[in-house]
Amino acid sequence: DGGITQSPKYLFRKEGQNVTLSCEQNLNHDAMYWYRQDPGQGLRLIYYSQIVNDFQKGDIAEGYSVSREKKESFPLTVTSAQKNPTAFYLCASSIDQTFYGYTFGSGTRLTVV
Amino acid sequence: AQKITQTQPGMFVQEKEAVTLDCTYDTSDPSYGLFWYKQPSSGEMIFLIYQGSYDQQNATEGRYSLNFQKARKSANLVISASQLGDSAMYFCAMRELSTGNQFYFGTGTSLTVIP
Repeated sequence: DGGITQSPKYLFRKEGQNVTLSCEQNLNHDAMYWYRQDPGQGLRLIYYSQIVNDFQKGDIAEGYSVSREKKESFPLTVTSAQKNPTAFYLCASSIDQTFYGYTFGSGTRLTVV
Repeated sequence: AQKITQTQPGMFVQEKEAVTLDCTYDTSDPSYGLFWYKQPSSGEMIFLIYQGSYDQQNATEGRYSLNFQKARKSANLVISASQLGDSAMYFCAMRELSTGNQFYFGTGTSLTVIP
């Protein structure tokens, strides 16, 4: 079955460490996105990519980095520069058309310890 | 200005009753799509229903219907015959052609179904 796989489901990070969240899709979607969700709040866009080897900053890109070397993969690195990284991270993909929705992964819950 | 506004942080509904979750949007683009997603406590986002800006009729998907009032720029979600499993966060979202197909999400409404 086609879908998006995020791993790991739970991740613990020590302060000062970089961590990478995985996002893989087999839907042949061109566009991929990373969102951050804090408790009781909506989704905020971190980065997005509409094509391989190209990506753009979203609303809250500081302290994060991404790569898009393959169409299927869009990993997110949470760097030590991100001062408050504890959150729920959702990856999504889509056909890059207005009338097509997102397919979401199941999310990664990152906790700084 | 907020692209998507959901004014109900929390809602309660009795089991088997209908409930309406409000959503208003802001766009000057004639070409846009409106979406509703459900997020249970497990975290995954589940697509519920879609309405295109050119659609003449309100969208329906099983117990979900979208009350689309274009002139008022509202896209309310109606859940009929509520079930305990409907308890979740609900997000309204919009995608518009002019902004490169980026999604805009509302802040969500937490729905609790009471037995």
